[in-house]
Amino acid sequence: SQQGEEDPQALSIQEGENATMNCSYKTSINNLQWYRQNSGRGLVHLILIRSNEREKHSGRLRVTLDTSKKSSSLLITASRAADTASYFCATDAGSNYQLIWGAGTKLIIKP
Amino acid sequence: EAGVVQSPRYKIIEKKQPVAFWCNPISGHNTLYWYRQNLGQGPELLIRYENEEAVDDSQLPKDRFSAERLKGVDSTLKIQPAELGDSAVYLCASSGGAPYNEQFFGPGTRLTVL
Repeated sequence: SQQGEEDPQALSIQEGENATMNCSYKTSINNLQWYRQNSGRGLVHLILIRSNEREKHSGRLRVTLDTSKKSSSLLITASRAADTASYFCATDAGSNYQLIWGAGTKLIIKP
Repeated sequence: EAGVVQSPRYKIIEKKQPVAFWCNPISGHNTLYWYRQNLGQGPELLIRYENEEAVDDSQLPKDRFSAERLKGVDSTLKIQPAELGDSAVYLCASSGGAPYNEQFFGPGTRLTVL
């Protein structure tokens, strides 16, 4: 079963612009993780935010978490062509360390 | 450090044939996952191992799928017989486990069943 739902399903922006993707989930979580998937490198872990954190940064990535709304956002600043990929959120909701995945946002960066 | 290794990368078979996928996780990672990913969707967990024990196989179609991780290191996922609907990418991931469960993925095996 898929808990996370990413929004939008697809996003196309010009290189240099910022890209924002959102993720909503249904149950309480221990942490939420964002992954990137492209044809060249497969699924790669980007960033993890714990349930007691509200914002986290990693390079050009900024993740926010609102547990009251059960939602998270991923912001990529100053986008590059290499950011073209699908982005997935995955939630860790229980004691069995199983991640529940959304269907992903497909991001296209136009040169 | 070597990442998660999977083989083969691509496999094309006729329906009703058997197929096997192999995965070698990152050294020291006790937790190993097999996922199936259909086009345009997120990964779907098939089975999770803690060392050599399958601790979550509730979504593994046991009538035709089997998996093993005999020595708690590498793992094999088998489908017998394959059906048209099994066409997907099969991903293996490993994790160091608690407390944060960051998962590291292999490149996957793209299976096409004709």
